[in-house]
Amino acid sequence: DAKTTQPPSMDCAEGRAANLPCNHSTISGNEYVYWYRQIHSQGPQYIIHGLKNNETNEMASLIITEDRKSSTLILPHATLRDTAVYYCIVISGGSNYKLTFGKGTLLTVNP
Amino acid sequence: EAQVTQNPRYLITVTGKKLTVTCSQNMNHEYMSWYRQDPGLGLRQIYYSMNVEVTDKGDVPEGYKVSRKEKRNFPLILESPSPNQTSLYFCASSFSNLYLNQPQHFGDGTRLSIL
Repeated sequence: DAKTTQPPSMDCAEGRAANLPCNHSTISGNEYVYWYRQIHSQGPQYIIHGLKNNETNEMASLIITEDRKSSTLILPHATLRDTAVYYCIVISGGSNYKLTFGKGTLLTVNP
Repeated sequence: EAQVTQNPRYLITVTGKKLTVTCSQNMNHEYMSWYRQDPGLGLRQIYYSMNVEVTDKGDVPEGYKVSRKEKRNFPLILESPSPNQTSLYFCASSFSNLYLNQPQHFGDGTRLSIL
C-alpha cells in the first residue's frame, strides 16, 4: 500500500471549515483513499473514501487531486466534538484488507 | 443500528488465565479482523477472517487464537495471557475483503491489562 504523509497537528476555530491534507504520491491506479478518525481511544470511525472523484457525505468532503497524489478532507463546520486524530489511509487489493494507520493528524477545534 | 459490539470493554486479569474477547456484528459482513493498538506502534492486525471457517494470521498473531464458526461472531482468545498483551483491542468488520469500496467498521474497543 502507498505511504501517506500528514501534518502531525492542526488547529481550527469552531464553526470554521477544517481542511486536512494528505500526501500519497506513490498511490497506484486501483488504490482507494480512506479517511478515519479516532476520538481519544475510541474505535476508529469511518469518515469517507474515494478513488478518483471528489466525494461528499453527511460528515465531510474529500477532494482528490487530478494526479491522485494528494487529497484533502474537509469538515465544513467544525465543532468541538470533531477534535480527534484523523488518519488518511491508502488501501489496495489483497486478501487481508489490512488497514495500516500512520500517526495521523491531531485536529484540535478551539472554541 | 448497524454496529460492531465487543465485550468486555475493560478487563484486568493475571498472567496465564485464559480469556476470550467477543466480537459480534449485525451487518451480515463476511470480513472481520482484530487489531491491537499500542502507543507509538499504531494499529496492528492480529488475525482476520474472510468468511465463516476461513481465518488467517495478520502481523502479530503470536499468543492469540480466533475462530469463525458463525458469520456474525469472531472471538479473540488468549490461551495464556502475558503482560506484553496488555493493549487496546479493536474488532472490525466489512462487507467483504474483495470490495475495497466498502469501509471497515470498528467496535468501541477492549482495554486489556494483564498483570
